[in-house]
Amino acid sequence: GAGVSQSPRYKVAKRGQDVALRCDPISGHVSLFWYQQALGQGPEFLTYFQNEAQLDKSGLPSDRFFAERPEGSVSTLKIQRTQQEDSAVYLCASSLGAGLSGNTIYFGEGSWLTVV
Amino acid sequence: AQTVTQSQPEMSVQEAETVTLSCTYDTSESDYYLFWYKQPPSRQMILVIRQEAYKQQNATENRFSVNFQKAAKSFSLKISDSQLGDAAMYFCASTSGTYKYIFGTGTRLKVLA
Repeated sequence: GAGVSQSPRYKVAKRGQDVALRCDPISGHVSLFWYQQALGQGPEFLTYFQNEAQLDKSGLPSDRFFAERPEGSVSTLKIQRTQQEDSAVYLCASSLGAGLSGNTIYFGEGSWLTVV
Repeated sequence: AQTVTQSQPEMSVQEAETVTLSCTYDTSESDYYLFWYKQPPSRQMILVIRQEAYKQQNATENRFSVNFQKAAKSFSLKISDSQLGDAAMYFCASTSGTYKYIFGTGTRLKVLA
């Protein structure tokens, strides 16, 4: 596609419910990033994929968070047993090359998650 | 730990005037990149300008320019001839290692007609 596409754009989940957030990166992009942006804050790094390999998951806040990119294109961020502190915008980004150096990364519009 | 600090939660500027947004950062890395991103209400982060730390020349993109002071670890954004469409949240960011951006908390820019 023309840009990074994320779905759903808005999700309201009851506390304890599992959610799955999808990211379609720009076609052919090697790198894929997930960020979490809480209200009034800047985005915070969650995880990084290079093709299908998850090379860095140091930002995932707990073992309730899981991300995958099985075929090196579409990625899913899964949150199990959601809690109120998980309420945030989840931003996906992709870039053509590996890593960040010298590469421009393109962000999607995010998935807004509200846990009630 | 690497940090990026934006000390101005909100700034206002009159249309057609110039405004400067401040950013300081702390890093132990010798090779890094610095960025300014614009985030409108849609939440999509849009790259405004990028600076490579090893380049002494300040980056410029049309009405947007930076004042990069490496020794002071300062990276401010100047917007000239401000337009109504410039109103948004602006985030300063630095690279951290190979895969991460570290973002500041943002500055909300209001443009007054």
